Amino acid sequence: DVKVTQSSRYLVKRTGEKVFLECVQDMDHENMFWYRQDPGLGLRLIYFSYDVKMKEKGDIPEGYSVSREKKERFSLILESASTNQTSMYLCASSLGLAGRGAANEQFFGPGTRLTVL
Amino acid sequence: GENVEQHPSTLSVQEGDSAVIKCTYSDSASNYFPWYKQELGKRPQLIIDIRSNVGEKKDQRIAVTLNKTAKHFSLHITETQPEDSAVYFCAAKGTGFQKLVFGTGTRLLVSP
Repeated sequence: DVKVTQSSRYLVKRTGEKVFLECVQDMDHENMFWYRQDPGLGLRLIYFSYDVKMKEKGDIPEGYSVSREKKERFSLILESASTNQTSMYLCASSLGLAGRGAANEQFFGPGTRLTVL
Repeated sequence: GENVEQHPSTLSVQEGDSAVIKCTYSDSASNYFPWYKQELGKRPQLIIDIRSNVGEKKDQRIAVTLNKTAKHFSLHITETQPEDSAVYFCAAKGTGFQKLVFGTGTRLLVSP
């Protein structure tokens, strides 16, 4: 059973703080993703990674960076948090193209609701 | 890049009725179309998906249809039940990296 966990369910930070959101998956998935979810806007991709130390920009990367030092862990970093980054952040993972089974299904973590004051 | 539009944004039905949610996509090279269900306070979970070499797929009360020519796909839920109440997201994936582009979501409310 795939398990994707995120370090915090709720987080409150102040404007200008550096914020780290951590995501860990235990199924040896190659691909990992960070989304933000806002009412009426759906899920928007911030960054994704298809291998250790590899990263690709998604649709809304501005103000964010990521780190993938180990296959199971993908971190999202807000360099200087701003109020417009208040949102629900969802991490997901999926098997790579060479994987077996439902190679394209993305498995989501429980989400981190971040509030920036 | 890919753009996915989803309609309606909200849908209210009576228990036992059918519900249909429609999505259109822009990239004709897209080849994978999943649907995710997100119950209140929970994570999105895949409920059904379809690949571009298939026109229709069914799983019990849920079905998805794909029209590649018109570049649209739809989710059909028959005999709706209150536990079907949730937000449903469609998505599309092009070739290459496993990057999904999601629609904006449909809030389905099934009244007893």
